[in-house]
Amino acid sequence: RKEVEQDPGPFNVPEGATVAFNCTYSNSASQSFFWYRQDCRKEPKLLMSVYSSGNEDGRFTAQLNRASQYISLLIRDSKLSDSATYLCVVNPMGGGGFKTIFGAGTRLFVKA
Amino acid sequence: NAGVTQTPKFQVLKTGQSMTLQCAQDMNHEYMSWYRQDPGMGLRLIHYSVGAGITDQGEVPNGYNVSRSTTEDFPLRLLSAAPSQTSVYFCASSPTGTQPYEQYFGPGTRLTVT
Repeated sequence: RKEVEQDPGPFNVPEGATVAFNCTYSNSASQSFFWYRQDCRKEPKLLMSVYSSGNEDGRFTAQLNRASQYISLLIRDSKLSDSATYLCVVNPMGGGGFKTIFGAGTRLFVKA
Repeated sequence: NAGVTQTPKFQVLKTGQSMTLQCAQDMNHEYMSWYRQDPGMGLRLIHYSVGAGITDQGEVPNGYNVSRSTTEDFPLRLLSAAPSQTSVYFCASSPTGTQPYEQYFGPGTRLTVT
């Protein structure tokens, strides 16, 4: 089992739709969680950190479920510019405190 | 403010050649890392450094060497290139504290080994 797993998609949605991505992680001791966005042939960039209480940034909402070991990203009112690959990122914060683990990514296409 | 810079952007090597991928950051970040990204596999950590003079192995270190003589620079050396090292390489940096913070990535180096 991979340490961080994501549905690769692609998700094809119309503009204005709500779309949700899930990501599961295997190390129950993991402490830090993030969502990164990566545009085609570009570097990843931080979209948002994920906190235990959940957090929202405009149209984006991230949730963490420690009991089930998954994190989620909800995008409301999708825009064409949201088309990208979304990377789930987990940091174990154990003996390998800085060994961040990336999921393979979920591709999103938003169409007019 | 340049952030994280990487050179070259593209490189083609023949099997057995060696080369160094350059990475530099101007944000005074202590933590720097190298990843490779292959289709369907996400980013995999090659080596990382938590400060000048300190480096450690990541998930896929074989065939690569690193050194960290200054805070700013973290070069990645391919000792004897193999076709399996064809990939996109990203360098990243991050401030350190009680937890790892946001990682800032360079634009990447696309390497092809023939």
